[in-house]
Amino acid sequence: EADIYQTPRYLVIGTGKKITLECSQTMGHDKMYWYQQDPGMELHLIHYSYGVNSTEKGDLSSESTVSRIRTEHFPLTLESARPSHTSQYLCASSRGVLTGELFFGEGSRLTVL
Amino acid sequence: RKEVEQDPGPFNVPEGATVAFNCTYSNSASQSFFWYRQDCRKEPKLLMSVYSSGNEDGRFTAQLNRASQYISLLIRDSKLSDSATYLCVVNMGGGGATNKLIFGTGTLLAVQP
Repeated sequence: EADIYQTPRYLVIGTGKKITLECSQTMGHDKMYWYQQDPGMELHLIHYSYGVNSTEKGDLSSESTVSRIRTEHFPLTLESARPSHTSQYLCASSRGVLTGELFFGEGSRLTVL
Repeated sequence: RKEVEQDPGPFNVPEGATVAFNCTYSNSASQSFFWYRQDCRKEPKLLMSVYSSGNEDGRFTAQLNRASQYISLLIRDSKLSDSATYLCVVNMGGGGATNKLIFGTGTLLAVQP
């Protein structure tokens, strides 16, 4: 089993609230990622980090922000949640992209009312 | 045109059947290729890498055709436990920090008893 954890697993929240999705890994991986996946659709990369204090936006534009203050921790924040943010958010980490092996957390399913 | 395209299925097959999935990719400079498996409402997990010479892991065989820009996954003697969505994943290259994985929408396999 991969040692990467996401909380909360499920969150239902009202419009305008600030939320933070937590992601932690204990594998010492430098590279971490956030993907967004809607039902029946492909994963879209929204943020990635190649190490502490390094964050980049992914291919899919997102109003969320991320931080990487510690190697093991890569939280994602939405300052003001909207119904359009309703989705599944998957955090992943890897040793390197060329190996193709991303270890995913179980996901955070967000519903914004 | 999507960067990675798969037939979404579903593929409904009886136990014991052989089933094959194809995936095409648009970027001829793509460097590496993978198949992931995603169970319903679960996170994706790496199933196998795809090597130029083709590779086999038990009942699973993966092949790459660079000239035609497609990869395939063959599953022999299907089991009920093979029911899942199979994601085609391509490393688009690009060098440096932009080396990243692109996920296909996935092909849904349902193995019937």
